Amino acid sequence: QQPVQSPQAVILREGEDAVINCSSSKALYSVHWYRQKHGEAPVFLMILLKGGEQKGHEKISASFNEKKQQSSLYLTASQLSYSGTYFCGTEWGGSNYKLTFGKGTLLTVNP
Amino acid sequence: SQTIHQWPATLVQPVGSPLSLECTVEGTSNPNLYWYRQAAGRGLQLLFYSVGIGQISSEVPQNLSASRPQDRQFILSSKKLLLSDSGFYLCAWGGIGGYTFGSGTRLTVV
Repeated sequence: QQPVQSPQAVILREGEDAVINCSSSKALYSVHWYRQKHGEAPVFLMILLKGGEQKGHEKISASFNEKKQQSSLYLTASQLSYSGTYFCGTEWGGSNYKLTFGKGTLLTVNP
Repeated sequence: SQTIHQWPATLVQPVGSPLSLECTVEGTSNPNLYWYRQAAGRGLQLLFYSVGIGQISSEVPQNLSASRPQDRQFILSSKKLLLSDSGFYLCAWGGIGGYTFGSGTRLTVV
């Protein structure tokens, strides 16, 4: 089953913040976050393992709520370079490293 | 460092023709390897994955097949392409530490 991402799209002005959510109906072992620029391959941002940890990557951070089976990606003080489609990839069970990706969230940052 | 090579970058093939896309990984041994497909404006659909030589798991029944003849080589094939096979094909390696994707092959079936 595919994780559900929300919102589907978001438009920001440079400097604004955004939150992208990723929800699963199955118990999660890990959640990956990737960013894909138009016409390019996805690039790994971060991974969160079950345990409710929060990770940071410059002004991009993420949390993992094991009880809610949900992860959120936080983009603060957005930059033009943040534009792209963000995908969460979820792994269930932890035994085979097989990721199932959500449909993506298109983030557009305007000047 | 680990690198992943995927070719060709673009491909235009007629309906009914065969397909062979190749992916190779350098700098690691016994990697988990994956083939994903992305239709225009859509998400990433897992097609096949492999945890070792000759070990292939198929996720979606379809017109495609995969093979892993060597530890760091992963091949996606089709005997007869369909229009619906068009898309952006991505090879990836990785596991719990995150995936690294190849640069992708944009396939157009005409």
